[in-house]
Amino acid sequence: QLQLQESGPGLVKPSETLSLTCTVSGGSISSSSYYWGWIRQPPGKGLEWIGSIYYSGSTYYNPSLKSRVTISVDTSKNQFSLKLSSVTAADTAVYYCASVLWWRHAFDIWGQGTMVTVSS
Amino acid sequence: DIVMTQTPLSSPVTLGQPASISCRSSQSLVHSDGNTYLSWLQQRPGQPPRLLIYKISNRFSGVPDRFSGSGAGTDFTLKISRVEAEDVGVYYCMQATQFPWTFGQGTKVEIK
Repeated sequence: QLQLQESGPGLVKPSETLSLTCTVSGGSISSSSYYWGWIRQPPGKGLEWIGSIYYSGSTYYNPSLKSRVTISVDTSKNQFSLKLSSVTAADTAVYYCASVLWWRHAFDIWGQGTMVTVSS
Repeated sequence: DIVMTQTPLSSPVTLGQPASISCRSSQSLVHSDGNTYLSWLQQRPGQPPRLLIYKISNRFSGVPDRFSGSGAGTDFTLKISRVEAEDVGVYYCMQATQFPWTFGQGTKVEIK
């Protein structure tokens, strides 16, 4: 059973870089069957897709965040990560990682989410 | 970007009665491979989202059969045949046909 767990700082200062990691268990992050993605949800608001990465390293980013986002995979640790630079208060949100089985094209397994607050 | 519009935004329902949520996309969700990548997610209070339906009408593992999805092209519907207390939450449609993947605004289902 695939499981995902986000980790990282809960507080980031404005203008700094937000860094989160998603640890995958119960399956290999190198599997050709999966995309891996990040989604965020500001308090009291809806869901926003941040970006996705394929096992090959191909990345797809939301154009609204593209200039600030980097998603990468660490196969040795079975993890993938998110870096979002130059954060502002508008980046305060719960950040989720999730898996996408390639033929489903749907976020099927989600992490519990981690709240990140941008504040000085 | 493909805009996903859900109606209604709030749906008060009596226990045991049906509920229906509509999702309309700003352009066709038919992918070049012939599939339509429209999914539905449920988010219970304080919980992460959970996949209910993928590719319009396919129930994900463990999803009760009171949930069903239908539609084609740009118009899609999620139906709950008989609402139970555990169905309270916010429901989102999502398209993964074209990057950037986009979500609807969410529909809050609550008990009358």
